Order: sequence, then structure tokens, then C-alpha cells
Amino acid sequence: KAGVTQTPRYLIKTRGQQVTLSCSPISGHRSVSWYQQTPGQGLQFLFEYFSETQRNKGNFPGRFSGRQFSNSRSEMNVSTLELGDSALYLCASSPERALEAFFGQGTRLTVV
Amino acid sequence: AQSVTQLDSQVPVFEEAPVELRCNYSSSVSVYLFWYVQYPNQGLQLLLKYLSGSTLVKGINGFEAEFNKSQTSFHLRKPSVHISDTAEYFCAVSKGDDKIIFGKGTRLHILP
Repeated sequence: KAGVTQTPRYLIKTRGQQVTLSCSPISGHRSVSWYQQTPGQGLQFLFEYFSETQRNKGNFPGRFSGRQFSNSRSEMNVSTLELGDSALYLCASSPERALEAFFGQGTRLTVV
Repeated sequence: AQSVTQLDSQVPVFEEAPVELRCNYSSSVSVYLFWYVQYPNQGLQLLLKYLSGSTLVKGINGFEAEFNKSQTSFHLRKPSVHISDTAEYFCAVSKGDDKIIFGKGTRLHILP
């Protein structure tokens, strides 16, 4: 079974731009969660989607948004990028309940 | 709300020595507990999980953890570490019906 795939692996963007990150979960997994990882804050939960509906949301500004498609693939979007958005963004998929999360390798976003 | 505290941000250990990485959680309900490992430039990989049953949980790479409900702890142990265990380790908690909450991580440094 293929694992969780995140694209792209690396991104460099300029302040004020927007970015879209993609995540393909493990086949059959309906839950996709997104996390932001930074050296100072560790792993912070962004949001979780289940069957195309946002089921949970973390404490991030509205510039961070996401969606999930009918095939469970998910995208997250960050608008009006700030320097502080530089981070490793991790996607994780789960079969249904949060009993285990399978992570992708992440997308490293650098905002300059 | 649930939370996870990893008491040590960094732990240096000599090769072939034993190690314990500490994790405490808080929750008003029953929880599921996890340890994940992150190697450089990689996503997170599940080491082990406690869902129910025996409080001593064995995982991959020779790691084990003990669930202690009275002390609300889930410490990770390995009797003899190897240089390849150099990584960051994350303790996590979930109620099973929504998001997984992660601790801030413990960097394990193996000294030759």
C-alpha cells in the first residue's frame, strides 16, 4: 500500500503570496489532518477533514484553510504569507477514528 | 481538554546505555497514547501505541512504554540505544474521536 504523499516537498514563496499544499492519504483512509511544525512551537494542529467535511480546527488565523475532495485527497492553502509561516507542514491520514495517524514526509515551506 | 508534556527537550545518552524519555498527559476522559519518532527531514513514524489492555506496550526498534494511569504518564524506554536512534521523539494523546495532540518533542542525542 502506498503511504501518505505530500507535494511538493519544498517550496520557497515571497511574503504576501499564497500557497497550496497537497496531500494524498493512504488508500481507504477517510480522515486527513494537517500539522504545522516549527522549532519553537513543535507540532501544532491545523485542521482535520473527514469525508470532505472539516471535523476539527486548530487555533490558526483564517489565512489557513483547507479542503478535502471526494477521493479523500486534501489541500491546504495559506494566503497572504508571512515570514512566520515558514515551517514543515505535515499531513497525516487515518482510517476513521484518531487511533493512529500515518504521516507524509511533509512540505517544507520557506517564506522570504 | 487534553494536553501532553514532554519533560525533557533534549536527552544525551551514551551508545549502548539505557534511555527513558518522559511523557505526562492530562485528560478528563480515557485516552489513547502514542509515541512517534521523526528522523531528520522525514515525517513522523509510529513507534508504539496504547489503546487498552496490558499497560506495557512494546514497539518497533526495541522500544517499549508503560502506561501509568495513576501518574498519568507514558514514558518511553529502551534498554540499549544505538547511534541510529538519534531522532526526535513525540508523545501524543487522543480521545479516539478527534484530533491527536502532540507534545513538543524530545531530541535524543546518542554519544559515541
